[in-house]
Amino acid sequence: RKEVEQDPGPFNVPEGATVAFNCTYSNSASQSFFWYRQDCRKEPKLLMSVYSSGNEDGRFTAQLNRASQYISLLIRDSKLSDSATYLCVVTLNKFYFGSGTKLNVKP
Amino acid sequence: NAGVTQTPKFQVLKTGQSMTLQCAQDMNHEYMSWYRQDPGMGLRLIHYSVGAGITDQGEVPNGYNVSRSTTEDFPLRLLSAAPSQTSVYFCASSSSPGGGNTEAFFGQGTRLTVV
Repeated sequence: RKEVEQDPGPFNVPEGATVAFNCTYSNSASQSFFWYRQDCRKEPKLLMSVYSSGNEDGRFTAQLNRASQYISLLIRDSKLSDSATYLCVVTLNKFYFGSGTKLNVKP
Repeated sequence: NAGVTQTPKFQVLKTGQSMTLQCAQDMNHEYMSWYRQDPGMGLRLIHYSVGAGITDQGEVPNGYNVSRSTTEDFPLRLLSAAPSQTSVYFCASSSSPGGGNTEAFFGQGTRLTVV
């Protein structure tokens, strides 16, 4: 079983839409949680950390449910520039990356 | 601010050749790692290191060697290149992958083609 599972998508949404990505992790002892963004042929970059209390950064909201071992990312008012692959990441003495969810935002 | 620097950015090798991909970070991070990413696939961990002199295997270590003689550098050696090693290679570093919500910083990647 993979440490981190994500729906690969792609999610094709119009500009202005709200889209949600989910991710599950297998080890209840996992320590830290992140969402990364990866543009085509580029390196992954941190989008935001994820906390049990939930956190928001502009149009982006991340949630962690430790009991269900579930992480989510909500993007409101999607922009064309949000088109990318979003990687769910958990740590347990090393980094475990999900395979990524591809988002295509259409005009 | 250099961050994580990988060289070269592009490389073409012939089958059977060896080479070293370089990775250096200037953030005094203890944790460094190498990943490969194949088209349409996620990142797969090749090797990682939790400090100078300490290395360990990841998910796909075969055909690759690493060493960590300094905190700053973590080179990846391809022993005898094979077409199956055609991929994009990313180096990453972090102060700690454990608690503290410390993120991983990535280099820009090395695009390797083995013919």
